[in-house]
Amino acid sequence: KAGVTQTPRYLIKTRGQQVTLSCSPISGHRSVSWYQQTPGQGLQFLFEYFSETQRNKGNFPGRFSGRQFSNSRSEMNVSTLELGDSALYLCASSPPLGSIQYFGAGTRLSVL
Amino acid sequence: GENVEQHPSTLSVQEGDSAVIKCTYSDSASNYFPWYKQELGKRPQLIIDIRSNVGEKKDQRIAVTLNKTAKHFSLHITETQPEDSAVYFCAAQGFGNEKLTFGTGTRLTIIP
Repeated sequence: KAGVTQTPRYLIKTRGQQVTLSCSPISGHRSVSWYQQTPGQGLQFLFEYFSETQRNKGNFPGRFSGRQFSNSRSEMNVSTLELGDSALYLCASSPPLGSIQYFGAGTRLSVL
Repeated sequence: GENVEQHPSTLSVQEGDSAVIKCTYSDSASNYFPWYKQELGKRPQLIIDIRSNVGEKKDQRIAVTLNKTAKHFSLHITETQPEDSAVYFCAAQGFGNEKLTFGTGTRLTIIP
């Protein structure tokens, strides 16, 4: 069974631009969560999608948004990029009725 | 919302000795407590988890203990080996479909 796949693996953007990250969950998983990882801050929760609906939301500004498609693939969008948005963005999927999260390898975003 | 504190932030242990990482949580309704290991450049992976109806769980050299009254849980690694060197994250999740809240991580270094 294929694991969680995130694309692209690396991105370089400049301030003010927008970016879209993609996450394909494990087959059969309907829940996808997104996290921002920065040194010293651990894993900060962005949002979770389940069956195309946002089920939970973290404390990030409205510039951060997401969506989920009918095949459970999810995208995350960040508009008007700021230097502080430079981070590793991880997504994780969970099986139905399960709590264990399986992480993707992440997308490393650098904002110049 | 839930708040998870993790200590220490860094830990160095002689190979063969034991390592203990501690976490506290704020929401008494939290009932699921996983631990993730993230090796350098790799994705976080679940190593052990515990639910609130259990006080202790072991898996070979790894154990987790939970004290619901004090709202803290700990990861114990015995007979440490070089491959145990990594960043370890604790997390807590409330009942139902609550989000997973992570601690800030502990960088464990095993000294040969």
